[in-house]
Amino acid sequence: DQQVKQNSPSLSVQEGRISILNCDYTNSMFDYFLWYKKYPAEGPTFLISISSIKDKNEDGRFTVFLNKSAKHLSLHIVPSQPGDSAVYFCAASAESNFGNEKLTFGTGTRLTIIP
Amino acid sequence: KAGVTQTPRYLIKTRGQQVTLSCSPISGHRSVSWYQQTPGQGLQFLFEYFSETQRNKGNFPGRFSGRQFSNSRSEMNVSTLELGDSALYLCASSWNGNPYNEQFFGPGTRLTVL
Repeated sequence: DQQVKQNSPSLSVQEGRISILNCDYTNSMFDYFLWYKKYPAEGPTFLISISSIKDKNEDGRFTVFLNKSAKHLSLHIVPSQPGDSAVYFCAASAESNFGNEKLTFGTGTRLTIIP
Repeated sequence: KAGVTQTPRYLIKTRGQQVTLSCSPISGHRSVSWYQQTPGQGLQFLFEYFSETQRNKGNFPGRFSGRQFSNSRSEMNVSTLELGDSALYLCASSWNGNPYNEQFFGPGTRLTVL
């Protein structure tokens, strides 16, 4: 049961254009969402996050949008740069009985920036 | 500050064997989480340890186990290996396991089961 879904396994974008990565979730208890970036032979690194009380969070070239009614979030990268080529994972968490959380990840989207 | 380290980086085992993977968190971090990454499945949560106690567990069979030591280093063990256990095993550390505090991932251990 995949509670976090990234339906596009891959995406190619021209350098300088906008990259939009999408993520859908099914668990309405999720209240915190994160994006991670992963290069080959390295562990994922945190990129940006958003709490369910917000609908947008920006950090430099990266903006995450959250649409709670649609259970959908997206990551926008503007402008896209060659170094952005990586696999991007969407992740979500919900408060557990113990007040701590585990992350539920999507399957990832491989982004390729074309110079 | 040194990052999360995992040993070994690569491992080849045969079906039926057991394996132990090690993770050293960032100094001062008390929470260690383990994830399994396979193609098409993304990262799946195995378990999380905090102060030597398992706080959360994912939907994996009992063949997958772990522990955490007093210095916060963690090990995970997989017994009676199956072909489907071939994966990248990642560990992540954070100060207290709360996702509002960033989790830092190690480079992973690539396990191949023949």
